[in-house]
Amino acid sequence: SQQGEEDPQALSIQEGENATMNCSYKTSINNLQWYRQNSGRGLVHLILIRSNEREKHSGRLRVTLDTSKKSSSLLITASRAADTASYFCATDAGGTSYGKLTFGQGTILTVHP
Amino acid sequence: GAGVSQSPSNKVTEKGKDVELRCDPISGHTALYWYRQSLGQGLEFLIYFQGNSAPDKSGLPSDRFSAERTGGSVSTLTIQRTQQEDSAVYLCASSPRGTSGSEWETQYFGPGTRLLVL
Repeated sequence: SQQGEEDPQALSIQEGENATMNCSYKTSINNLQWYRQNSGRGLVHLILIRSNEREKHSGRLRVTLDTSKKSSSLLITASRAADTASYFCATDAGGTSYGKLTFGQGTILTVHP
Repeated sequence: GAGVSQSPSNKVTEKGKDVELRCDPISGHTALYWYRQSLGQGLEFLIYFQGNSAPDKSGLPSDRFSAERTGGSVSTLTIQRTQQEDSAVYLCASSPRGTSGSEWETQYFGPGTRLLVL
């Protein structure tokens, strides 16, 4: 079963605009990771945020985590056509589930040039 | 260095046949994972190897699925008596988990094997 639920399911924007994707989860986590997938093949790791962190930046990416609401958001600033891809959040619950990522259904992002 | 590699890239097989999927993790990574991505189920965890410990097989959907990891490196996922519902992309990932570093839980994925069972 999918712990993470992402919204929106699809997002279409113009180049230069910001894109925000949200992820909600159900159980407590050790960390949450965001991945990008192009053309239904390999996943590319974007950023990892730990349960004791609230915000993290990497280049044009900003991730926030609210463990009280069990939610995270991924913001891509100044989007480019090359950012067009599917984006997934994945949670690592830790404990006996350490390392077993549970993925959301993903957000399909289309950036129009 | 080289990333995670998987072979074959694509596999078409007939229902009832056995298939073997191979994964070469990043050198030095102690943890190796298999996931499956299908239209109906999304991305699902299958099995996890960590060092010399017994693998976590809790995600394997049936006893037709098995995996091994030889010498702490290469892994093979075997599906026996394939069924049409086994059609999916099978993704392998590795991580340096257990070593020092700020993000040793990060999983690095291979390009996947697309399996089609006719």
